[in-house]
Amino acid sequence: KQEVTQIPAALSVPEGENLVLNCSFTDSAIYNLQWFRQDPGKGLTSLLLIQSSQREQTSGRLNASLDKSSGRSTLYIAASQPGDSATYLCASNYGGATNKLIFGTGTLLAVQP
Amino acid sequence: ETGVTQTPRHLVMGMTNKKSLKCEQHLGHNAMYWYKQSAKKPLELMFVYSLEERVENNSVPSRFSPECPNSSHLFLHLHTLQPEDSALYLCASSQDFWEVTAKNIQYFGAGTRLSVL
Repeated sequence: KQEVTQIPAALSVPEGENLVLNCSFTDSAIYNLQWFRQDPGKGLTSLLLIQSSQREQTSGRLNASLDKSSGRSTLYIAASQPGDSATYLCASNYGGATNKLIFGTGTLLAVQP
Repeated sequence: ETGVTQTPRHLVMGMTNKKSLKCEQHLGHNAMYWYKQSAKKPLELMFVYSLEERVENNSVPSRFSPECPNSSHLFLHLHTLQPEDSALYLCASSQDFWEVTAKNIQYFGAGTRLSVL
């Protein structure tokens, strides 16, 4: 059974710190992996998508990496800000010619001012 | 705004009630999705429609009945729900269900928070 796990479930850091969120998946045959952000009472917003042929993707202060051999992805947030506080979810797509995602349980991030 | 609108945002219903959740997308997408998000559990895919045809039904109880009258609208009809059905129900859309590319990401609505008493 394909599963996605995120650790830790919650993280609190002071403003300005660099931080890393972790995501692991059980099957290395993924097609791509996405990181989403969810604000309280809101839906999900896609942050970064890494194709299986790529090692990393960057958008502003965010950098996501993918290591298929170890079944891991990380989301690096540089110089964290209180506005980064949200739940971060990763989701894998195992292809099979469909856009079907398997989600992790998320990491709740609190950036303290 | 993501272009995906869900109504109502909050819903409280008794176990014998019948209600419907609505989702509307203005993105010109061909695929629409219903997800259930329960506390401390991963998002669960419930149903997928591609060009108004149901293409995924992940063992969802029959008390949940989806409807997709056109590619812009998706409904989830609810009847005789159980308290464990209380959750955030999210709708999403993407350009296509049968294509897996970096451009075919899913756009999510804000969700309907459902409480079953």
